[in-house]
Amino acid sequence: KNQVEQSPQSLIILEGKNCTLQCNYTVSPFSNLRWYKQDTGRGPVSLTIMTFSENTKSNGRYTATLDADTKQSSLHITASQLSDSASYICVVSVGTYKYIFGTGTRLKVLA
Amino acid sequence: DSGVTQTPKHLITATGQRVTLRCSPRSGDLSVYWYQQSLDQGLQFLIQYYNGEERAKGNILERFSAQQFPDLHSELNLSSLELGDSALYFCASSVGTSGYNEQFFGPGTRLTVL
Repeated sequence: KNQVEQSPQSLIILEGKNCTLQCNYTVSPFSNLRWYKQDTGRGPVSLTIMTFSENTKSNGRYTATLDADTKQSSLHITASQLSDSASYICVVSVGTYKYIFGTGTRLKVLA
Repeated sequence: DSGVTQTPKHLITATGQRVTLRCSPRSGDLSVYWYQQSLDQGLQFLIQYYNGEERAKGNILERFSAQQFPDLHSELNLSSLELGDSALYFCASSVGTSGYNEQFFGPGTRLTVL
């Protein structure tokens, strides 16, 4: 069964600290993996996308990694800011047209 | 602002009723996707259209249907509404059908079924 699991479910950190969010997937055939940021009540916004052959992709203070062998991805946020408070969603594309969404990690950054 | 527009922003209706949600994709995008996000739940992919044709179906109920018109806007029709249909409904668009194409999400329609 195609599944995407994210951990932790929620996370609270202090402003300026780093954090890492995890995404494990059991999906076949794997096409690509994308991380989204979703502010409360708003639509998700794409942060990074990686194909099978890509190990790491950065977008400013966001760095995503992908280990296709272990079927794991992580999103590392450096020097967190209050505006990073949001849900982060891992999405895996299966084949051409199917998308499996994780339930997300809810991040809260405190001043 | 993603360039994707959705109307209405909020919708309150009663069980058993039928509603229509509307989505206009970004200029130049041919693909439209519909998603449902229930309270504290992840996004569920419902259906995808490309240039007027259905391309993929996800967890869409038989009571729900969608279509994409020649001007590329799309409508999601929800009928015989139940309390459990209360959710945020997002529309997204992308330039093509490849999973590598970035999807741009609209602001969503919040549906409340009483």
